[in-house]
Amino acid sequence: DTGVSQDPRHKITKRGQNVTFRCDPISEHNRLYWYRQTLGQGPEFLTYFQNEAQLEKSRLLSDRFSAERPKGSFSTLEIQRTEQGDSAMYLCASSLLPASSYNSPLHFGNGTRLTVT
Amino acid sequence: QQPVQSPQAVILREGEDAVINCSSSKALYSVHWYRQKHGEAPVFLMILLKGGEQKGHDKISASFNEKKQQSSLYLTASQLSYSGTYFCGTEIGNQFYFGTGTSLTVIP
Repeated sequence: DTGVSQDPRHKITKRGQNVTFRCDPISEHNRLYWYRQTLGQGPEFLTYFQNEAQLEKSRLLSDRFSAERPKGSFSTLEIQRTEQGDSAMYLCASSLLPASSYNSPLHFGNGTRLTVT
Repeated sequence: QQPVQSPQAVILREGEDAVINCSSSKALYSVHWYRQKHGEAPVFLMILLKGGEQKGHDKISASFNEKKQQSSLYLTASQLSYSGTYFCGTEIGNQFYFGTGTSLTVIP
């Protein structure tokens, strides 16, 4: 168990550019979540996958955001035409089972901090 | 949809106790508790299922009242290492929501 890893740790980009983040979950975990967190706020749900299927996407997520998990392993989150309001920490988490199970804690990666200038 | 936590912030001296509450307007079937230290990712503390109560650590425990749609986290004899922001979390529909957060600061 090497934990959840995210890459890059930091990303600075200019407004209007596209960015892509990667998340590698714990290998046997079939659920993968993306969250966004701004300073002083709790993690805000963006989307989640059950294996390779994207089962839920927040209504707050604009069309500029897209996520994939092509083989049910790693996932990517892409933001197109970035805006200054996209600046935040993007967290990825994985779990083995649904959240309503004892063995289903969410394991978080260290996040990707995005700064849009 | 987001669970509401109280208090928003609390400052304790080492050795004092604290209670953090989490309330939901939706039915709760399970409640998770996480702690996040500044600049770090949230770390899982414990999970409680409907009708159950589980202790995750010796001096940190929690209760779950599904009828009241509430959960409480109890920190006893607080240590400096307990400082951080505590979040409850729950699955509503197909989304996992975190609560509004409680900032806990333990001072010597």
